[in-house]
Amino acid sequence: TQLLEQSPQFLSIQEGENLTVYCNSSSVFSSLQWYRQEPGEGPVLLVTVVTGGEVKKLKRLTFQFGDARKDSSLHITAAQPGDTGLYLCAGVGGATNKLIFGTGTLLAVQP
Amino acid sequence: EAQVTQNPRYLITVTGKKLTVTCSQNMNHEYMSWYRQDPGLGLRQIYYSMNVEVTDKGDVPEGYKVSRKEKRNFPLILESPSPNQTSLYFCASSFGRGLDEQYFGPGTRLTVT
Repeated sequence: TQLLEQSPQFLSIQEGENLTVYCNSSSVFSSLQWYRQEPGEGPVLLVTVVTGGEVKKLKRLTFQFGDARKDSSLHITAAQPGDTGLYLCAGVGGATNKLIFGTGTLLAVQP
Repeated sequence: EAQVTQNPRYLITVTGKKLTVTCSQNMNHEYMSWYRQDPGLGLRQIYYSMNVEVTDKGDVPEGYKVSRKEKRNFPLILESPSPNQTSLYFCASSFGRGLDEQYFGPGTRLTVT
């Protein structure tokens, strides 16, 4: 069974700080997605990375796919209260091309 | 507006009382799925459907049923709910499986006492 472990599980920081969230697996994924979920809503796709070593930027968010396609990271620069939410990574892999979600990182940015 | 709708948003019920959570999408997506979300476990897939009349089990299908009689609708049925099915449920749809963006509904919080 493919598993995606995220760390940290919880993160509470002050506005303006930088942070990094990690998504790790022992399995190889053909592509990886990051979603953000706000309270009372469903997850919303932020980015998809498909090539080992790929880096994508979305304003203050930087996403990286590991060279071996087993891990990914999300870095937020100068976090703002609007970044508060649950961040989920999701990998596509296996013979069934199935999407597997990570355990999630709950981020709280205090003003 | 492109969206996935779920009803009800909140439901409290008792053990053994059959219930149905509806899901509808207006994007003409072929792929639909149901997930449950529990603390520390992320999203786990219950059932999915590749198209009308085509459904298959996900990772945690026990105690659930689904049907796909129309492309837009994908209801989740709990024939005899139990307390361990207390969870937050999400319906999602996409054009296909895998890399395609999943569009999620707003969630249904179910409590079984």
